[in-house]
Amino acid sequence: AQKITQTQPGMFVQEKEAVTLDCTYDTSDQSYGLFWYKQPSSGEMIFLIYQGSYDEQNATEGRYSLNFQKARKSANLVISASQLGDSAMYFCAMREVRDSWGKLQFGAGTQVVVTP
Amino acid sequence: NAGVTQTPKFRVLKTGQSMTLLCAQDMNHEYMYWYRQDPGMGLRLIHYSVGEGTTAKGEVPDGYNVSRLKKQNFLLGLESAAPSQTSVYFCASTRGAGSETQYFGPGTRLLVL
Repeated sequence: AQKITQTQPGMFVQEKEAVTLDCTYDTSDQSYGLFWYKQPSSGEMIFLIYQGSYDEQNATEGRYSLNFQKARKSANLVISASQLGDSAMYFCAMREVRDSWGKLQFGAGTQVVVTP
Repeated sequence: NAGVTQTPKFRVLKTGQSMTLLCAQDMNHEYMYWYRQDPGMGLRLIHYSVGEGTTAKGEVPDGYNVSRLKKQNFLLGLESAAPSQTSVYFCASTRGAGSETQYFGPGTRLLVL
């Protein structure tokens, strides 16, 4: 069963606007971590931000923030003040801590296109 | 540091041919992974390794074999390539579980005709 769901296959956003990328997850574990990665057209996978299930505050890294709603099992990525360089595929991923081998489960991704 | 490197970057195979993809990391990471990426499906785990000499199956292991003879290297083999194995293959490594991110190689684009 799909454990990570990203319901937005693609979206357009205007430069300087904020954009929210949705991610919902499914786990029965209490301890888990959520990751977001960016994949530009060049193909490399770039780590953006991490949220632990026990973290009380939402994670932030520069223009990236994670809107973590544990009860709803959602971990949406917010990119503020979009830039043309933000055009990329974005992946949400989860690691269940009971899986001590560090494996990640990925969603299908959301393609973001930033327009001038 | 080079991080995670993959060889080759691109390859075309004919159905039935074999090949080996090489992943190397210079970060002394214990855990290494092979993923495949297909349109609309994100990254799916093929095989992984939690240390030198150990390997395990992931979500989509059929048609692939792996070996981890040295800690820094993780090899992915296709014994008899099929068109369904046309994909982009990513190798990744991490120091451990918890909040540690995985570090990804640049990917190998494989086309099986």
